[in-house]
Amino acid sequence: QVQLVESGGGVVQPGMSLRLSCAASGFTFSSYGMHWVRQAPGKGLEWVAVISYDGTNNYYGDSVKGRFTISRDISKNTLYLQMNSLRPEDTAMYYCARGKVDTALITSFDNWGQGTLVTVSS
Amino acid sequence: DIVMTQSPDSLAVSLGERATFNCKSSQSVLYSPNNKNYLAWYQQKPGQPPKLLIYWSSTRESGVPDRFSGSGSGTDFTLTISSLQAEDVAVYYCQQYYSAPITFGQGTRLEIK
Repeated sequence: QVQLVESGGGVVQPGMSLRLSCAASGFTFSSYGMHWVRQAPGKGLEWVAVISYDGTNNYYGDSVKGRFTISRDISKNTLYLQMNSLRPEDTAMYYCARGKVDTALITSFDNWGQGTLVTVSS
Repeated sequence: DIVMTQSPDSLAVSLGERATFNCKSSQSVLYSPNNKNYLAWYQQKPGQPPKLLIYWSSTRESGVPDRFSGSGSGTDFTLTISSLQAEDVAVYYCQQYYSAPITFGQGTRLEIK
C-alpha cells in the first residue's frame, strides 16, 4: 500500500533553515507529481509546492516562493523541501501528498503522510 | 489566485440526518474541453491528515461510503452526507486544482447535534 513518511521537522529560530524529507513506498515514485501542504496550528490547509513526476517542473505558493525549494531523489524514493529564511508564520504541520493524476502537476491528492511539525520561534 | 469560500463555518446535525456543505470559487473551475470541474473534497479528523473523499466534483474516491456525494459545476459546489454517522465528525475542505496555486476553502466543522 502507498506509504508516505515525513521527517526533519523541529524547532528553529527565525531566519534559519530546515530540510524536510518524505520517504515514499508502495507505488512507482517516479510516475507521480508530489506536493507539500501545510497546516498552521488550529488553521486550515495551505498548499506549499509541487514537483512534477520527473522533477523538471515545479510551482510554489506565493508565501514561500523564493525561500523554499522542492526536490526529489528518484533513486531514494524521497521528496524534499528545503526551507530557508524561516519565519514564525511558517510554523505548521507539513504534509507530503501524492498527486492523484500521475503525470499531472496540478491535481487533487489521494495519499497523505502523517506530517512533520515545524516550529519557528526565538 | 482562485479564492475558495466555504459555508457555513460550522454545522451541527443529528445522527441519521443529512449534512450539506457549500463551496464557492471566485472563478469557474470547469474546464470546457473535457467538461470536468477541477474540484475536490477532503475530510480531516482530529490528529489525522486529510482524506480525499470526492474529486472531479462528483467522483467518489475508492473506499469512500456512498452516503458521501458531491455535486455542482462552475463556481458552486456541494458535498452531502445523506445520513450522518458518528464517525463523520470532522472538518471538511474543498480544493480547486484548476490552476496554480492550488487553493483550499477555509473548512467547515461538522458536529453532532
